[in-house]
Amino acid sequence: TQLLEQSPQFLSIQEGENLTVYCNSSSVFSSLQWYRQEPGEGPVLLVTVVTGGEVKKLKRLTFQFGDARKDSSLHITAAQPGDTGLYLCAGGGDRSNSGYALNFGKGTSLLVTP
Amino acid sequence: DTEVTQTPKHLVMGMTNKKSLKCEQHMGHRAMYWYKQKAKKPPELMFVYSYEKLSINESVPSRFSPECPNSSLLNLHLHALQPEDSALYLCASSQEPGGYEQYFGPGTRLTVT
Repeated sequence: TQLLEQSPQFLSIQEGENLTVYCNSSSVFSSLQWYRQEPGEGPVLLVTVVTGGEVKKLKRLTFQFGDARKDSSLHITAAQPGDTGLYLCAGGGDRSNSGYALNFGKGTSLLVTP
Repeated sequence: DTEVTQTPKHLVMGMTNKKSLKCEQHMGHRAMYWYKQKAKKPPELMFVYSYEKLSINESVPSRFSPECPNSSLLNLHLHALQPEDSALYLCASSQEPGGYEQYFGPGTRLTVT
């Protein structure tokens, strides 16, 4: 199993602040996904990063994949209460015809207060 | 349309009951997954179906029995569950078994009394 370490585990900030969430591993991943999950709901896919050094932007969210494809970061600019949720990074195990078993980090629980 | 649907939304069952969870996707995805998620923990993989055949079983107890009637449907049959099986059960699908991106349903909140 390829372990993914996320930090911080919890984050409570005021609306308008910036924040960065980190996802690190000692293993190389063919891709990493970021999901956001609200209480009682399923994770919603935000982005997939595949190429080392890749940067993707989704409105106020910026995702980066490390050059060595072992780590990723999520930066939120001017956070809003609607950004509140559990942020999960996930990377694949062996990519085969048997399935692509995602390994999830433990998640970062973000609370943005007005 | 990237929607995966799950029914029921909530389920309460006794330890002697038999119930089923249902999952459906109409995206033409060829891989479907069951995950279990406890509160404030990441999802844990239970089963993977690849082209309607069970390809991965993560050592799940036999009281959980998956079924894939066709390429759009995935069931999870439950029997003689324990209170510690209470959790959010998530279904997901991906375009191909080796596909990078999995799309999750809203989950079934299961409580075993």
